[in-house]
Amino acid sequence: DGGITQSPKYLFRKEGQNVTLSCEQNLNHDAMYWYRQDPGQGLRLIYYSQIVNDFQKGDIAEGYSVSREKKESFPLTVTSAQKNPTAFYLCASSYGQSFQPQHFGDGTRLSIL
Amino acid sequence: AQTVTQSQPEMSVQEAETVTLSCTYDTSENNYYLFWYKQPPSRQMILVIRQEAYKQQNATENRFSVNFQKAAKSFSLKISDSQLGDTAMYFCASVENFGNEKLTFGTGTRLTIIP
Repeated sequence: DGGITQSPKYLFRKEGQNVTLSCEQNLNHDAMYWYRQDPGQGLRLIYYSQIVNDFQKGDIAEGYSVSREKKESFPLTVTSAQKNPTAFYLCASSYGQSFQPQHFGDGTRLSIL
Repeated sequence: AQTVTQSQPEMSVQEAETVTLSCTYDTSENNYYLFWYKQPPSRQMILVIRQEAYKQQNATENRFSVNFQKAAKSFSLKISDSQLGDTAMYFCASVENFGNEKLTFGTGTRLTIIP
């Protein structure tokens, strides 16, 4: 079945450490997105990519980095510069047109040790 | 920048009853799309329904329907014959800038269906 796979489900980060969250899709979608979800808030866009080898910053990109070397993959790195990384991270993908809904993965919960 | 506001942080309703979740938005565009997403305890985001702003007819999907008031910039979700499986967070979202699909989400409404 086609879908979006995020791994790991739970991740712990030590102070000063970079961690990478994986997002893979087999839906043949062109566009991929990373969102952050905090309690009491909606989803906020971190980065998005409409085509391979190209990506743009979202509303809260500071302290994060991404790459898009393959159509199927859009990993997110939470760097040590992100001072408050504890959150739920959701990856999404779509065909890249506004009227097409985004499909979401199951998310990764990141916590600080 | 577009904004989406959900003014009801929590709601509860008896099973089989009808409930309406409110959403207002602000946009400078004339054409845009609106969505309702459901996030059950499993945390996966699931599309419930979508509305195209240039269509006057309200969208419906089985027990889910919307009341889209373009002039008032209002986009409420009605759930009929509510079921226990409808218990979830519901997020309203909009997208305007065509070409990048940047979704803007509201803060969500936590809906509990009471048996």
